[in-house]
Parts: sequence; C-alpha cells; structure tokens
Amino acid sequence: SQQGEEDPQALSIQEGENATMNCSYKTSINNLQWYRQNSGRGLVHLILIRSNEREKHSGRLRVTLDTSKKSSSLLITASRAADTASYFCATDAGGETSGSRLTFGEGTQLTVNP
Amino acid sequence: DTGVSQDPRHKITKRGQNVTFRCDPISEHNRLYWYRQTLGQGPEFLTYFQNEAQLEKSRLLSDRFSAERPKGSFSTLEIQRTEQGDSAMYLCASSSWGEQYFGPGTRLTVT
Repeated sequence: SQQGEEDPQALSIQEGENATMNCSYKTSINNLQWYRQNSGRGLVHLILIRSNEREKHSGRLRVTLDTSKKSSSLLITASRAADTASYFCATDAGGETSGSRLTFGEGTQLTVNP
Repeated sequence: DTGVSQDPRHKITKRGQNVTFRCDPISEHNRLYWYRQTLGQGPEFLTYFQNEAQLEKSRLLSDRFSAERPKGSFSTLEIQRTEQGDSAMYLCASSSWGEQYFGPGTRLTVT
C-alpha cells in the first residue's frame, strides 16, 4: 500500500517559474527521498533527507522535512522544460526495516511549458 | 561506472507462460530491490536482498513469483503462469546504504 500522498497530483507551470510539490506520510521514518521519472522510464534519485534534517539543497532543488507534521516539500526553482516529469517521494520507515523497502507516494506530474 | 541494468527492457507474453527478468546492480552495492509499478502509480516494493540473502518479501509477491540472487551479484525475478494482472513495469534498484539507484525497468505485457 502507498504510505504517502503527493499534492498536487498534477502541476502545470511556465518555464522560469518555481514548482512546489508536497508529500505527506503516515509512519515514522529514517529518511525521505525524492525521485524523478520521465515518461515510461526508470526513476532518477534526486535527494535524500534524513529524519534529523529540516532542509537540504541540491542545485535548483530545495527539500524540507517536517517530522512533526509528517510532511515534506520539494521546490524546483527556475524550472525548465526538461524538468517535465513525474516526481515521487519515498520513505524509508526505519527501525527493523531501515534500508530495506522504500514506500512511494503516487507522484506529482509536473509539466513545464516553454 | 555503469548503473543498474535490466534485461529485457520489454516482454510480451501470453497468459499462462513463465517469464524471467534479470537485474545487474551497481557492482559495489550489496543491497538489491525489486519493485512493481503500474500506470499512474508509484512503485510498490516486492522483495529485497542483502548480498545473496532474501531478507524481505511483500505480500504482493504471490507464490507465482520467485526471486534469486545467487552469489550476491545479479538477480532474477521469475513469474510463473502469468496473468493479465501481472502486466506492469518491473523495476530493480541497488544501494549500499540510503539512496536506491534504479534501473530502466522491464515492461511486461501479458496478453
């Protein structure tokens, strides 16, 4: 079963604008990861944020994590047409299962219009 | 360094046939995972190996599914007596710790 929910399910913006996607989850976590998937292809790892971190940056990506609200957000700044893809959050639940399964949300489909 | 590779990339089979998929992980990674993804959904966990030991299996992995990782290197996922509901993208990932790196997937179509 899916652990989390992404919001919105779909997002359409113009090139140069910022895109924000949100993820909520249900159980305690060891870390949360964001992935990108271009149509019909494999997933590309974007960023991992650990449960004791609140914010992390990588290039044009900014991820925040609020463990008290069990939520995370992914911000893509200055978007490009090449950012068009589905974005998924995935949680590593920690404890005995840490490092084993990731539980994915249903994803946000981002479309960046040139 | 080559990433995770999967073979075949596409497989079309008739209902009732057996299929086998292969995954070659990143060479220094000791952990290997299989996921299944259907259209419009996120990947769902199937099973996980640490070296050659299969440490966890999802309830999704019915007795028609079997996975192996002999010698802790490549892995195979076999589906016996395929059903139309098995049509999906089968994704393999590997890691040493933390980030999981995914292969391109094998798209299975059962007719």
